[in-house]
Amino acid sequence: DAGVIQSPRHEVTEMGQEVTLRCKPISGHDYLFWYRQTMMRGLELLIYFNNNVPIDDSGMPEDRFSAKMPNASFSTLKIQPSEPRDSAVYFCASSLVGGLSDEKLFFGSGTQLSVL
Amino acid sequence: KQEVTQIPAALSVPEGENLVLNCSFTDSAIYNLQWFRQDPGKGLTSLLLIQSSQREQTSGRLNASLDKSSGRSTLYIAASQPGDSATYLCAVNDYKLSFGAGTTVTVRA
Repeated sequence: DAGVIQSPRHEVTEMGQEVTLRCKPISGHDYLFWYRQTMMRGLELLIYFNNNVPIDDSGMPEDRFSAKMPNASFSTLKIQPSEPRDSAVYFCASSLVGGLSDEKLFFGSGTQLSVL
Repeated sequence: KQEVTQIPAALSVPEGENLVLNCSFTDSAIYNLQWFRQDPGKGLTSLLLIQSSQREQTSGRLNASLDKSSGRSTLYIAASQPGDSATYLCAVNDYKLSFGAGTTVTVRA
C-alpha cells in the first residue's frame, strides 16, 4: 500500500485566499484524522471521521476551517479565508479502528502551508 | 484535559551510547501509549504501542516501558546510530490521542 497520501506537499498563498488540502487514506481504513503541527502548540487534532462521517470537530479552530470526506478514499480540509496564523504543517492520518483500540495510526507526509 | 510532557526537548549523544527519552502524562486513565518517530519534513511513524495493561514493549533496539499509575513512559534506544537522529513523540490514548512536543535526538558519528 502507498500509505496515506497528501497533496500538495507545499502551499504558499496570500492572506484572504482559499486553501484546499487533500488526503487519500490507506485503503480499508475506517478512520481519518486531520492534525495541525506548529512549534508553539505541537500536534493538535482538528477533526476526525469514521466511515466518512465527521465524529468530532471540536479541534477546528474557527468557522474558516471546514473538512469533508465525500467517500472512503478522499478527504479535504479547506480554509477560507486564510490568515497568516494558519501557517503550519497539516497532517492527515488514518487507522483501521479509532477510539479505544490498539490500532496504530498512519500519517501522511504533511502539507506545509505558508500564508503570507 | 490530558497534558503530555516530554523531557528533554533535545538530546545529543555520541554514536553507540544508549538513549533514554521520557514522557509523562497527567491523567492515568489511558487505553494505550504510542511512541512515534518524525524525520524532518516527514510525517510520523509509529514505533511502539504499549497497552495500558502492559509494562513494556520491545522492537529490536527499542524498548518502551509504561508506569500508568505514575503517569510515565520511557523509550530506550540501545547502541544509538546516526540514523536514529530524529524527533521522537509520545502520544497517549484516552479515546483521543494527545501528543507531547517531542524530543529531538542527534546522534553524532
